[in-house]
Amino acid sequence: DAKTTQPPSMDCAEGRAANLPCNHSTISGNEYVYWYRQIHSQGPQYIIHGLKNNETNEMASLIITEDRKSSTLILPHATLRDTAVYYCIVRVTGANSKLTFGKGITLSVRP
Amino acid sequence: GAVVSQHPSWVICKSGTSVKIECRSLDFQATTMFWYRQFPKQSLMLMATSNEGSKATYEQGVEKDKFLINHASLTLSTLTVTSAHPEDSSFYICSASDRGPLPLHFGNGTRLTVT
Repeated sequence: DAKTTQPPSMDCAEGRAANLPCNHSTISGNEYVYWYRQIHSQGPQYIIHGLKNNETNEMASLIITEDRKSSTLILPHATLRDTAVYYCIVRVTGANSKLTFGKGITLSVRP
Repeated sequence: GAVVSQHPSWVICKSGTSVKIECRSLDFQATTMFWYRQFPKQSLMLMATSNEGSKATYEQGVEKDKFLINHASLTLSTLTVTSAHPEDSSFYICSASDRGPLPLHFGNGTRLTVT
């Protein structure tokens, strides 16, 4: 079973920031928070991951609360191509550690 | 960046035949590969974990004799759907990991249609 909960869907206007929430209240100390997205009929695409500090890369920012029980993925300037299903997953690092997908959140970016 | 290539991207086969799907890591050595299945409007479901040179570990409810997994090298894993039936029609996706801290990267999936 997935250890995260996400709202089923949200939308945002093109050019605005998209803030995608995720709850992971039972996260363990050695589990990271990973975000992936899946555009229709493609394989999931890695976005970002973090342990407890906030992280930023060229795609997005990840804000993790101090108690690590929730996080927010921020797409700073959403485009139509960001319309996808976004998955928040907790996982320990290591080659044998699998990713268990929940239902994700469908982000729709409107013109 | 890490690239995982999956082939074919789509395949149509007749009921009762077998289909092989390949998953390759192009720029890193994948000690572990994972195989997922995704039905329409559903999330990805893990089918099995394969480690190079050893037998795959299957998730509960996945038939190991029907979904044969081979991981004979550090860059290639194959999934063979044996005696395929229409209910096996699905989107099959592989992912790969190396020994280091790299996050898992995924192939672009194979859409299997069994007629």
